[in-house]
Amino acid sequence: ETGVTQSPTHLIKTRGQQVTLRCSSQSGHNTVSWYQQALGQGPQFIFQYYREEENGRGNFPPRFSGLQFPNYSSELNVNALELDDSALYLCASSLGLGTGAMEETQYFGPGTRLLVL
Amino acid sequence: KQEVTQIPAALSVPEGENLVLNCSFTDSAIYNLQWFRQDPGKGLTSLLLIQSSQREQTSGRLNASLDKSSGRSTLYIAASQPGDSATYLCAVRVTGGGNKLTFGTGTQLKVEL
Repeated sequence: ETGVTQSPTHLIKTRGQQVTLRCSSQSGHNTVSWYQQALGQGPQFIFQYYREEENGRGNFPPRFSGLQFPNYSSELNVNALELDDSALYLCASSLGLGTGAMEETQYFGPGTRLLVL
Repeated sequence: KQEVTQIPAALSVPEGENLVLNCSFTDSAIYNLQWFRQDPGKGLTSLLLIQSSQREQTSGRLNASLDKSSGRSTLYIAASQPGDSATYLCAVRVTGGGNKLTFGTGTQLKVEL
């Protein structure tokens, strides 16, 4: 167990709808990253938040947005869902951005599996 | 743009065999490299993290090596067990890229009795 939890575990939505996925980081972890993992692929970086500010974004459109809260929880919001958004969404927390294995090691949650019909 | 490739895509071995999983990356300007394990439908578990200045890391039956100049890493699993069956992913953190990881597509390992 990594101490990172995600909810819900599974979700079914229809095209055009909006979805909010939630993540609870390990206590004390200032950094949270979100990844999208399509079936049979490696995770793709969506964005990262550090102390409630976005700190880097991958190649995802603006309809993917996020929030990080002071209580070590965070959200991933996806608007105008498309069929290709069907994937496992993973969040990962780490102590910080800095140097050293302790700060850098990312602890992943179990993921939310999203199906868009 | 950093690209990470893992070979083979799938591997099946008998219990007790030693095995090597391969990972290659195109941009040698990496900060570190991590190996993860993913069980079906689950999240990722970090196995080993190698800093760019290191050549290898060991944890129990696992040994990971890094050759930054050639853009390669290997994960060696000794005396494989059925419980080792999972998908193994390598990921690199690039220098100056924050704590963003670029993943390979993974090697699906099956260890048979």
